Amino acid sequence: EVQLVQSGAEVKKPGESLKISCKGSGYSFTSYWIGWVRQMPGKGLEWMGIIYPGDSDTRYSPSFQGQVTISADKSISTAYLQWSSLKASDTAMYYCAVVATTYYFDYWGQGTLVTVSS
Amino acid sequence: EIVLTQSPATLSLSPGERATLSCRASQSVSSYLAWYQQKPGQAPRLLIYDASNRATGIPARFSGSGSGTDFTLTISSLEPEDFAVYYCQQRSNWPWTFGQGTRLEIK
Repeated sequence: EVQLVQSGAEVKKPGESLKISCKGSGYSFTSYWIGWVRQMPGKGLEWMGIIYPGDSDTRYSPSFQGQVTISADKSISTAYLQWSSLKASDTAMYYCAVVATTYYFDYWGQGTLVTVSS
Repeated sequence: EIVLTQSPATLSLSPGERATLSCRASQSVSSYLAWYQQKPGQAPRLLIYDASNRATGIPARFSGSGSGTDFTLTISSLEPEDFAVYYCQQRSNWPWTFGQGTRLEIK
């Protein structure tokens, strides 16, 4: 069974750094793209970027390029989303999702809520 | 970047009725379009991929159609559990993008 388990909720202050994680299991981690999706409170889904853990090929939405870094550690089947300096506007739910047999986001993590507040 | 525009923003219907949701792309995405359902407090769920293929476990009352720039998600007879928010998403070009969503609410 494919599972994506995300790290727990975070409360941070503006200017702090953060790295959240998404651990995959039940499939070949290096063979499928994993993406990140933002959902701000009460809003829609935003495609942030995606990584192919097999060779670390990474694509970003222009809206998020330079604002976040997506990475993966294939030795522990885990993808990451990180910020070097958080803003209040980064407050959102962040989902990871794997592009599997359909070539779309077949499986989703449970989401990580990030709250940035002074 | 391809912009996906969904309409209507909100659709109010009763159980048993037919729902028709639209997604229009700013340029052709061929058939590289998916539909997702999201219920409150849950992650999205893939319903339809490549415009018209149902994902695993999705009931037959859900169907998708279209190609190029105009796509439709149809729910033939609404069940109580179908009231949710629906998003389209394209994978024709990087960056992949989502539509802004259609909220399907009980009338």
